[in-house]
Amino acid sequence: GQQLNQSPQSMFIQEGEDVSMNCTSSSIFNTWLWYKQDPGEGPVLLIALYKAGELTSNGRLTAQFGITRKDSFLNISASIPSDVGIYFCAGLYSGGGADGLTFGKGTHLIIQP
Amino acid sequence: NAGVTQTPKFRILKIGQSMTLQCTQDMNHNYMYWYRQDPGMGLKLIYYSVGAGITDKGEVPNGYNVSRSTTEDFPLRLELAAPSQTSVYFCASSYSRARETQYFGPGTRLLVL
Repeated sequence: GQQLNQSPQSMFIQEGEDVSMNCTSSSIFNTWLWYKQDPGEGPVLLIALYKAGELTSNGRLTAQFGITRKDSFLNISASIPSDVGIYFCAGLYSGGGADGLTFGKGTHLIIQP
Repeated sequence: NAGVTQTPKFRILKIGQSMTLQCTQDMNHNYMYWYRQDPGMGLKLIYYSVGAGITDKGEVPNGYNVSRSTTEDFPLRLELAAPSQTSVYFCASSYSRARETQYFGPGTRLLVL
């Protein structure tokens, strides 16, 4: 199946710092999604990207859909304590096969006050 | 709207027992999905459904069965529970496939001993 490599696995940062994480794929996707998961909860959608090259912001979050359609990145500016959690990238290829999302393994974000 | 709801929240099973994980959505979504999330990993697709009466296998379907008799409900059945099925199970739904994002339930934590 399709593989997503998400990095870094974890990040320990100070409050107020900017954060950057990315995902790369061995195959192309038509849609890239970024989710955040808090402990004991399901993933919650942060940003959806539908077009190669697309750059989308949601408050302090910015994500881009790579030109090659095989990568995406997520930036968080001026991190705050409630940003703590696990961030997942997910890709969707709508050209056939299983219709579910392919997920990366997640980036654990830990913020030190 | 309640969104996607799942029951139970937590369950302990003995090897060989069976159970049904319930999932209901009230958003009139056509697509529904079941994922499992193992510790430190991303979510993997078990089964999905594109509408009432239609289901298909995802990446890891072995040991599971599903049915979709109504638009709202998408139960997941484990017939002979095995320790390898210890995981957190998430149900998700979306209105369509290619451009619509998936909304996740809070998860069911299953422990098989």
